[in-house]
Amino acid sequence: EADIYQTPRYLVIGTGKKITLECSQTMGHDKMYWYQQDPGMELHLIHYSYGVNSTEKGDLSSESTVSRIRTEHFPLTLESARPSHTSQYLCASSEYGTGASGNTIYFGEGSWLTVV
Amino acid sequence: KQEVTQIPAALSVPEGENLVLNCSFTDSAIYNLQWFRQDPGKGLTSLLLIQSSQREQTSGRLNASLDKSSGRSTLYIAASQPGDSATYLCAVLGGSEKLVFGKGMKLTVNP
Repeated sequence: EADIYQTPRYLVIGTGKKITLECSQTMGHDKMYWYQQDPGMELHLIHYSYGVNSTEKGDLSSESTVSRIRTEHFPLTLESARPSHTSQYLCASSEYGTGASGNTIYFGEGSWLTVV
Repeated sequence: KQEVTQIPAALSVPEGENLVLNCSFTDSAIYNLQWFRQDPGKGLTSLLLIQSSQREQTSGRLNASLDKSSGRSTLYIAASQPGDSATYLCAVLGGSEKLVFGKGMKLTVNP
């Protein structure tokens, strides 16, 4: 059972508002990720982290930013939300390294963001 | 650039059938391949992970195989049940240490 949590699950906000999507994991995993997924479409990696104080941009350009001050916490922030940011955001984590069990990736339930 | 393809995009079958879901990838230099299940409006649940040195993995009614040289993996579901209805995604982990996902296959098992 994965222990990775996302809040809020559902959010409707107005254009121009600042929003932070929270993600926490209790497994002590070093690697954490944020994916964006539109309904019926594939997942796109937007940010990832190898550990504390490490953040990298993913394959899909995103106007969001992330921080990794603590191992268990990887919040994603949109400074000024726009309707084009409407999507599902999925947080995930895995152990660092390429060992036999080290790369199973665990996902949170997702955060559905609607910007009106 | 790694590309992952899942065909067909959707499949509807009667309960009890044995199913084969296909996944292909373009770059065989992978560390592992992982199969996931996604229920509507939910996150992804890991089903099986196959390391690049392995040929198959089994968990209950699920069996996944990997042919790295030909860039293919299959997920076999035995005796399908309505509760198996979901979207199934495969993803490969390559040298960049980033997972690349397919678009998924939506499975509907009818009672």
